[in-house]
Formats: sequence, C-alpha cells, structure tokens
Amino acid sequence: AQSVTQLDSQVPVFEEAPVELRCNYSSSVSVYLFWYVQYPNQGLQLLLKYLSGSTLVKGINGFEAEFNKSQTSFHLRKPSVHISDTAEYFCAVTSNYGGSQGNLIFGKGTKLSVKP
Amino acid sequence: DSGVTQTPKHLITATGQRVTLRCSPRSGDLSVYWYQQSLDQGLQFLIHYYNGEERAKGNILERFSAQQFPDLHSELNLSSLELGDSALYFCASSVAPRGASGTEAFFGQGTRLTVV
Repeated sequence: AQSVTQLDSQVPVFEEAPVELRCNYSSSVSVYLFWYVQYPNQGLQLLLKYLSGSTLVKGINGFEAEFNKSQTSFHLRKPSVHISDTAEYFCAVTSNYGGSQGNLIFGKGTKLSVKP
Repeated sequence: DSGVTQTPKHLITATGQRVTLRCSPRSGDLSVYWYQQSLDQGLQFLIHYYNGEERAKGNILERFSAQQFPDLHSELNLSSLELGDSALYFCASSVAPRGASGTEAFFGQGTRLTVV
C-alpha cells in the first residue's frame, strides 16, 4: 500500500522569499505523484504531476517539484512566493498496482502562509 | 472551474438522518471518485466508480453507499448520520479507464456536511 507524509503542517514565509514544501512517499511499486492546492472554500486544483521521464516537473503558478526515487521524495518549490500563494498544499500518490488502483492517496496537507 | 459540479454546497442535518450528495463529472469523464476531508483524518478516499461499476473501496463506512448512474452522475448516500460524519465531501472525475493512474483527477468544490 502507498502512503504519503508531508513533513510540515504549516509553513510561514515572507512574500518574495523562496519556499519548499516537503513530501515523502512510501510504496513498493512504481508510482505517480501529484501536488494539489486548495484555496479557502475551494476544491483541489492540480499544480503539477510526475508520471515518468524528467525528474524535475514544472507546474502552474511558477511551482516546480523534483522526484527523487532514492529518497522517495517529491518536494515542491517556488523561488519567490506571493501573497496569493497562501493556501493548503497536498501531496498525493497513486499507482497502477496494488490496492490504490488509480485512486489518490493524500498527505495531511501543508498550510502555506505568505506574509507581506 | 473544474467542470465537476457538486450539489448541494452546504448541508445541515440532524444525527440519525440520511442525506444524498450529488456529483456531475466533467463531460466525457467516466471515472468518479469520492473523498472525505475532515480536520482529524485529512483527505480520505471513499469509493471509485468507473462507467457505472464500483472499482475500488477505501475507508468507506457501511452506513455510506454510492452509485453511478447511466448518465455518469454519481450520488453518495450517508445514513444514520453521526456528529463525526461532519466533513467536506469531494467528488473528483477523470477520463481514466481502469489502471491508467497517471491521468489527472478534477475536483468539485465539495459539499460541506454539518451534522448537529
């Protein structure tokens, strides 16, 4: 079975500073990895995904993530954040194998708070 | 707008009651997933339907059931409601046929259920 650990429940950062939101996963089979963002009172929106190929994945709103198989990590980064990036961010994993059968397994989420 | 429509947006009901949450997937999407988001459990996968058939079950209680109709909309039925069932219930849809886990899931804005 797959699982996801988001190491920080809250990350405060000043505007225009860089940010990294950490995500580690556990799986015995090959996986697909996703980052979703949830703005207040909204549904989840896909930021980016890793399926295969290049380990550096670029997404929307200037975010990128790097897949590291040896460290089973998929950390999300942005070089300069804006107030509008304040939201909750979820890392998710799925696989074609095992119990998940394509269903997303989510981490607990990281609340990013960008201060002026 | 993700193209996934959930109704109602808010629902307040008493313990012991039964409610039905409705989801209309994006046009052309055959897969519908239901998730429960609560403060203590985070985002939990409940159930997956593909083209009218149940494909996978997650942490779904026996008091809960779902179905997907021929027009592909789905309903989640919650019965004998308890205070602990208060949560945000999300529906997501994707094109994915079974096993194609890399395709993106699009989320609705959720139904906030409050059990009093």
